[in-house]
Amino acid sequence: DIQMTQSPSTLSASVGDRVTITCRASQSISSWLAWYQQKPGKAPKLLIYKASSLESGVPSRFSGSGSGTEFTLTLSSLQPDDFATYYCQQYNSLPGTFGQGTKVEIK
Amino acid sequence: QVQLVQSGAEVKTSGASVKVSCKASGYTFINYYIHWVRQAPGQGLEWMGTINTGGGSTTYAQKIQGRVTLTRDTSTSTVYMDLSSLRSEDTAVYYCARGRWVAESSGFYFDYWGQGTLVTVSS
Repeated sequence: DIQMTQSPSTLSASVGDRVTITCRASQSISSWLAWYQQKPGKAPKLLIYKASSLESGVPSRFSGSGSGTEFTLTLSSLQPDDFATYYCQQYNSLPGTFGQGTKVEIK
Repeated sequence: QVQLVQSGAEVKTSGASVKVSCKASGYTFINYYIHWVRQAPGQGLEWMGTINTGGGSTTYAQKIQGRVTLTRDTSTSTVYMDLSSLRSEDTAVYYCARGRWVAESSGFYFDYWGQGTLVTVSS
């Protein structure tokens, strides 16, 4: 199975900060990467697919980049609603493995 | 609008089985695979398996193969996840999710999720 590693595990930031989360794959996955946001007690929500394509309805302050084995999720200006845990997921092959998550906390 | 509505929380004893349902609405049921993903308390997301809602074929994660069975009822647009020989480590929230198929990668990502079903296994 392809292993996905996110960093950092936890990130403390303030409203208005620019935030970057990294996801690395154990082998090349081309651009077959999705990002999800999860809030406590809720299901994950799709933010980005194909590494950089924004899902409909997702604010433009979210952006994704990368290809091959290294990817980033960037929040250009952190909003109060963005404090959550973020997961990457590769879909280059089954099983579609997830990273371990990055929790974005209020500083 | 697309909705996936799951059945309610379950409490089971070790060795028992549990069956969780996921009822889809707002789209053509047989056009999308349904996947199951679980999340143990305080942990990350683990893909369990998928079912082709049109043809009924299934694929399961190796770790859980032999204990999980996915079935579907096209007349009610419902998918069922049956997990047997329950252990304490199966305590988790179980999510169904609609898979968006990507032909170029032969993979899926997940665009709609159910609300989750907590399964608690006690000894």
